[in-house]
Amino acid sequence: NAGVTQTPKFQVLKTGQSMTLQCAQDMNHNSMYWYRQDPGMGLRLIYYSASEGTTDKGEVPNGYNVSRLNKREFSLRLESAAPSQTSVYFCASLRVAEAFFGQGTRLTVV
Amino acid sequence: DAKTTQPNSMESNEEEPVHLPCNHSTISGTDYIHWYRQLPSQGPEYVIHGLTSNVNNRMASLAIAEDRKSSTLILHRATLRDAAVYYCIPVNAGGTSYGKLTFGQGTILTVHP
Repeated sequence: NAGVTQTPKFQVLKTGQSMTLQCAQDMNHNSMYWYRQDPGMGLRLIYYSASEGTTDKGEVPNGYNVSRLNKREFSLRLESAAPSQTSVYFCASLRVAEAFFGQGTRLTVV
Repeated sequence: DAKTTQPNSMESNEEEPVHLPCNHSTISGTDYIHWYRQLPSQGPEYVIHGLTSNVNNRMASLAIAEDRKSSTLILHRATLRDAAVYYCIPVNAGGTSYGKLTFGQGTILTVHP
């Protein structure tokens, strides 16, 4: 059972570069989420998708875009990375009441 | 979205019970109460959830006030591995905010040997 898989695990970007963080779940969950966690801080919701074909903004959506490609996959795109986006990014999926989280992507923007 | 209030930090000794409170006075009738925890350097993990009745599982118990405006996560015998940040999260099960899972600041639990 893979659960929630995030790629890559680590990434260094230069300011202005773009990249896509990938997330896939194999549990047939309807809802998927993207969070960021800055050092010493709590998780902040960037975007979520309550079901396939829908996406909604969370607390901190600026500078990000998402795509719910199908039921399994939910990607997060940074079009022009900024140092303020240096963070650990977590993807999650939700079944009824239990959310499962990926291992995180540690992103550094220099 | 329902707001939550939790103590910033709590401390416990190993093998003792721990009661972690959460105030969610603006919770709606369709909001479930979820609890998650985050161990150091890991992603959050599910602990327990409930709607109206008290709930038990292998990890913890959840006591929900009759008016649903507060709840308490109970760890019956704290271990060193229970040292984590604990989050109480109302999750909407219907309406326009369906499935929105928003973390607050949580409670940092320290467990002493």
